[in-house]
Amino acid sequence: QVQLQESGPGLVKPSETLSLTCTVSGGSISSYYWSWIRQPPGKGLEWIGYIYYSGSTNYNPSLKSRVTISVDTSKNQFSLKLSSVTAADTAVYYCARTPGAYCGGDCYSLWFDPWGQGTLVTVSS
Amino acid sequence: SYELTQPPSVSVSPGQTARITCSGDALPKQYAYWYQQKPGQAPVLVIYKDSERPSGIPERFSGSSSGTTVTLTISGVQAEDEADYYCQSADSSGTYQVFGTGTKVTVL
Repeated sequence: QVQLQESGPGLVKPSETLSLTCTVSGGSISSYYWSWIRQPPGKGLEWIGYIYYSGSTNYNPSLKSRVTISVDTSKNQFSLKLSSVTAADTAVYYCARTPGAYCGGDCYSLWFDPWGQGTLVTVSS
Repeated sequence: SYELTQPPSVSVSPGQTARITCSGDALPKQYAYWYQQKPGQAPVLVIYKDSERPSGIPERFSGSSSGTTVTLTISGVQAEDEADYYCQSADSSGTYQVFGTGTKVTVL
């Protein structure tokens, strides 16, 4: 079955750019949407954004000005860049496959399954 | 911004039924999803499209929807069901994904 694995630096300095990659195995990235989600220590889940394998993206409005998600179908990977990070960006970052289904009319609903194991990124000098 | 509201905690004795609610204005229009997260682990999907159960998820997990509230029900709760549970859905336009505030289920 499909498995996802996050990779990237575990420590990033304030004001710098956080960069993570998610490698998809056991299936092709060339279908579905693919998402990034984060969870600050002891807190809830926050959707960051998603990308379709064709390259179209959608981001959380609260992070949109700092987020870029890209895809490399040749490597079966997609990536996250978050710029100008602060301590508030310290979190476990998860990648997830994002299946979807129509929910009536032009409504298209997305969910997250499966998830990667997550990687802790700490923002500190 | 759109919000999904859950009770912070639910306590239940083994063998009893736990019900976790999730409220949001767009839920009549959008499907809801439920995730189980145990300490130190990634979330796992337990209910999708309001009430469907993925393969491998025990039958004691069920979901329902009524108006602006969706409910995750765990029947015959077992000790292994102790975890945080999150609902997830989209805003009324379907553009942005949102997670609920999370509910900690404690098995007494």
